[in-house]
Parts: sequence; C-alpha cells; structure tokens
Amino acid sequence: DGGITQSPKYLFRKEGQNVTLSCEQNLNHDAMYWYRQDPGQGLRLIYYSQIVNDFQKGDIAEGYSVSREKKESFPLTVTSAQKNPTAFYLCASRANIGQQVFAANYGYTFGSGTRLTVV
Amino acid sequence: QQQVKQSPQSLIVQKGGISIINCAYENTAFDYFPWYQQFPGKGPALLIAIRPDVSEKKEGRFTISFNKSAKQFSLHIMDSQPGDSATYFCAASHGGSQGNLIFGKGTKLSVKP
Repeated sequence: DGGITQSPKYLFRKEGQNVTLSCEQNLNHDAMYWYRQDPGQGLRLIYYSQIVNDFQKGDIAEGYSVSREKKESFPLTVTSAQKNPTAFYLCASRANIGQQVFAANYGYTFGSGTRLTVV
Repeated sequence: QQQVKQSPQSLIVQKGGISIINCAYENTAFDYFPWYQQFPGKGPALLIAIRPDVSEKKEGRFTISFNKSAKQFSLHIMDSQPGDSATYFCAASHGGSQGNLIFGKGTKLSVKP
C-alpha cells in the first residue's frame, strides 16, 4: 500500500544533541512538508520541498534543517539550536496537479507522526 | 491575510446531534478549502474539500458549506457519533495545486454517548 512512513514513533533527545526524524513516501509525490504540532497551536510549517534538491523555509525554520536528496525521502534534523523541541512532528506529501484528476479532492497525505521529547 | 481563523477551539455534542465548526479567511485568492480529521497520536487525514465555485458539498454525514461573499466556510457533522471524536482542522490554499495549505488551529470535538 502507498503511504508515508515516519520513524521513529517516539524519540528522546538530550540537551545539546542533534536528532534526525525520518520521512519516507512511496506515493511518487513531488512535494513534501514538515509540520510541528503543539497543543492549541495547530500545524506550523517548518520546511517544505517541491522538488528534489530544493527546499524552502516555512514559518518556524529556526533550529531545524532538512535535505531532499531523493524524491522519496525528506529527513528533518532538530538541532541543538532549537530551544524548545518537545512536540509532535508531522510529515506530509502532495502530488502536483499533473498527478491528480479531481482537483476538489486534492490534498496532503500525512504520516503518523514522531513525538519528540527532551530529557 | 494569510490566516485561517477556526472556531470553536473545543466542542461537546451529544450523540445524534449536529456538530458545526466554522472557519474564516481574508485572502480572496484562496481557491481550495479542505477539512482534516485527526485522532490522538495519528496524522491528520483528508475528510472533505471544496472549491469556491460551489456553495455546498456533502459526503455521507459530513457537509461543507461555503460562503464566498462572507469569506467563511464550515463543517457540519450530522448524526454525530462517539467515533467522530477527534480534532478537526480547516485549511485553505491559493494557486491551485501549487499552493501550500494554511491551517486553522483546530477544533477538538467530543461526542458524548
């Protein structure tokens, strides 16, 4: 079955440590996204990538980094510069218009998330 | 201009009742309005979506009502069930498929048996 796989499901980070969250999709989608979810804050965009080897900062990119070396993969690194990293992280992907027939149901496909906790 | 304002933040409905969640936007260039449903510990899933050329779209017990002049859209859940208890997000984008979604802050729905 096609979908998005995020790993690990739970991740613990020590102070000053960098950690990398994995996101892999087999949907042949071009665009991929990373969101951070905090209670009452909704979904806040960290980084996104429309094509391989290209990505843009979202609204809260500080303290995070990404790479997009393959179409299927969009890993997120939470660096030590991110002072409050405890949150639920969601990866999403989206097909470009040429891959969709019914535009009204066009949308993002999300992974199941990674819960990151600072210990 | 880029915000999507969602209300209420939380909602409690009795089983069999109607749940209504509202969203408002400012950017008239938005042309795609989806709703997502998220269960605890899971990623959001697309529930239903609408384009501004129609005023209503229904899929089973879920209906989107869209008011272009008021720049508002809402989700109605008819005959609400305990299994509908989840967090619901509205969103909007412009530029058709190339636009990034702007999400509301979410509504936590609890349906009491």
